[in-house]
Amino acid sequence: QLQLQESGPGLVKTSETLSLTCTVSGGSISSTTHYWGWIRQPPGKGLEWIGSIYYSGRTFYNAFLKSRVTVSVDTSKNQFSLNLSSVTAADTAVYYCARHVGLVGGMDVWGQGTTVTVSS
Amino acid sequence: QSVLTQPPSASGTPGQRVTISCSGSSSNIGNNHGYWYQRLPGTAPKLLIYRDDQRPSGVPDRFSGSKSGTSASLAISGLRSEDEADYYCAAWDDSLSGFWVFGEGTKLTVL
Repeated sequence: QLQLQESGPGLVKTSETLSLTCTVSGGSISSTTHYWGWIRQPPGKGLEWIGSIYYSGRTFYNAFLKSRVTVSVDTSKNQFSLNLSSVTAADTAVYYCARHVGLVGGMDVWGQGTTVTVSS
Repeated sequence: QSVLTQPPSASGTPGQRVTISCSGSSSNIGNNHGYWYQRLPGTAPKLLIYRDDQRPSGVPDRFSGSKSGTSASLAISGLRSEDEADYYCAAWDDSLSGFWVFGEGTKLTVL
């Protein structure tokens, strides 16, 4: 059974870079039919897609965050990662990693989520 | 940034049928499939409906989805207490360079 698990610091200082990793188990991140994405949910708000990556390294980003986001993949470790630079309090959120079937296919498997707080 | 509009809340009594709407535009629901997610308190979102009206294995047939034009709907029949959760719609949006959009979520209360 495929499982995704987010990991990374729960507290990041304002203006620094938020870095998270998603470890995929029970399946291969090198699947040719799936993309791997990051989604977040700020407190009291809805879900927001951050970006997604294919195993080849091709990336797709939310245009509203693109200037600050980098998503990368490490197929040898079956992991993909998120870097979000120049964070502010507005980036405080629960961050989820997820798998989706094709870029325009919905997210069918999600990690449990990790809370990241941005504070000075 | 949400471009999908959902009612913030919905409610029903056990056994009732409840419908949650999701209004979008021609660049998202109008031209792409709609998806629905259920998020129970303290848990990750779970896929309920994909490609407008398809249920993943394990999702009870009490849950059904539909789409008409630029709107999607989620119906829950035979409401149960365990259905109390937040429900989100989602769709790919073709504008800009393309991106996923979600609704703000609807909190369903089982009275």
